Amino acid sequence: EVQLLESGGGLVQPGGSLRLSCGASGFTFSNYAMGWVRQAPGRGLEWVSTMTGVSGDTYYADSVKGRFTISRDSSKNTLFLQMNSLRDADTAVYFCAKVAIFGVVRVFDSWGQGTLVTVSS
Amino acid sequence: DIQMTQSPSSLSASVGDSVTITCRASQSISRHLNWYQQKTGKAPRLLIYGASSLYSGVPSRFSGRGSGTEFTLTISNLQPEDFASYYCQQSYSTQNTFGQGTNLEIK
Repeated sequence: EVQLLESGGGLVQPGGSLRLSCGASGFTFSNYAMGWVRQAPGRGLEWVSTMTGVSGDTYYADSVKGRFTISRDSSKNTLFLQMNSLRDADTAVYFCAKVAIFGVVRVFDSWGQGTLVTVSS
Repeated sequence: DIQMTQSPSSLSASVGDSVTITCRASQSISRHLNWYQQKTGKAPRLLIYGASSLYSGVPSRFSGRGSGTEFTLTISNLQPEDFASYYCQQSYSTQNTFGQGTNLEIK
């Protein structure tokens, strides 16, 4: 059974930094792309970033490009999101998700429970 | 970026009804369109991928159609557990985008 467990959320001041972690189990972590999706309070889902499995290619939403960095440690089956220069608008629950490919279609087929990041002074 | 426009933003229906949610892409995304269900306080759950393929374990009352720029999600014979929020997502571009969501409420 796939399990994803996020950690590292909390309260941070504007301009501050935070690093989120996502521990993965139940699948061969290094073979799969992984991503982060966030949800501001009372709002919809927003894709944040994806990192491929083998090649390690990274992709970012324009709203976080240059401030957030996605990375992974396959020896520890862990995905990270380093968040710098945080803004009030970054306040959200951050979900870690596993990418599956069905034919040529990529989906987020497994999700963690999320970790709350609050940016406030 | 590819913009996804979902409608309606909210919907009221009764148990046993059928409802349809529409998602439009700002450019053609072929059939790279997925649907997710999210209940309050929970992680999203994949329902439909590739516009019309039912994900494992999802009841057959959920169905998806469309290609190019216009897509629909239909839920037939609504059950109490179906009242939730629904999101479309395009994965045609490496910069994925979600629709703004549809909140399905009990009438």
